Amino acid sequence: QQPVQSPQAVILREGEDAVINCSSSKALYSVHWYRQKRGEAPVFLMILLKGGEQKGHEKISASFNEKKQQSSLYLTASQLSYSGTYFCGTENMDSSYKLIFGSGTRLLVRP
Amino acid sequence: NAGVTQTPKFRVLKTGQSMTLLCAQDMNHEYMYWYRQDPGMGLRLIHYSVGEGTTAKGEVPDGYNVSRLKKQNFLLGLESAAPSQTSVYFCASSYRQDYGYTFGSGTRLTVV
Repeated sequence: QQPVQSPQAVILREGEDAVINCSSSKALYSVHWYRQKRGEAPVFLMILLKGGEQKGHEKISASFNEKKQQSSLYLTASQLSYSGTYFCGTENMDSSYKLIFGSGTRLLVRP
Repeated sequence: NAGVTQTPKFRVLKTGQSMTLLCAQDMNHEYMYWYRQDPGMGLRLIHYSVGEGTTAKGEVPDGYNVSRLKKQNFLLGLESAAPSQTSVYFCASSYRQDYGYTFGSGTRLTVV
């Protein structure tokens, strides 16, 4: 039931792009994305809903492929502040209100 | 506006002792959750609540109990602490189903 994230870790130079993937074997209602810095709480980035539109801001965006039960997080022109661990959380169609998290993707952005 | 407040922030327990972790939110959120996070791992759902007076089991509920007597508070109890319950515990809340979660700063619990 836990979603699978890939890659497990990414190292970037400042200004490079990255894609983090999240996939589930279950039919999904929603996908959440969070970023956690060391020693801190996870911080909400965005939510994608079944039937909804792709969400995002200028440099961080995400998509949700309902047919494949997959979501991708796109980090464009990465900044040092993007470093941290990114988690996707999925809510299945048959178990509402429960958000189950993947094991995370560690992102390190170097100068 | 404090958001989600967890108390205590740190605690050391001896095996077999009991304790209660408190989570309080001032955002009038309907849903509240307790997760645990172990080193290098993701967040695992322990219990959750979709409204005052309701509770439900998550992925790893054994050894824990919860109560939601007031909308703003969600308590997590450890009946008889075990070393396997050493972890960082995060409380989270959300306004409703289609909204993101706001997390508390966490409680670092060590059971010796």
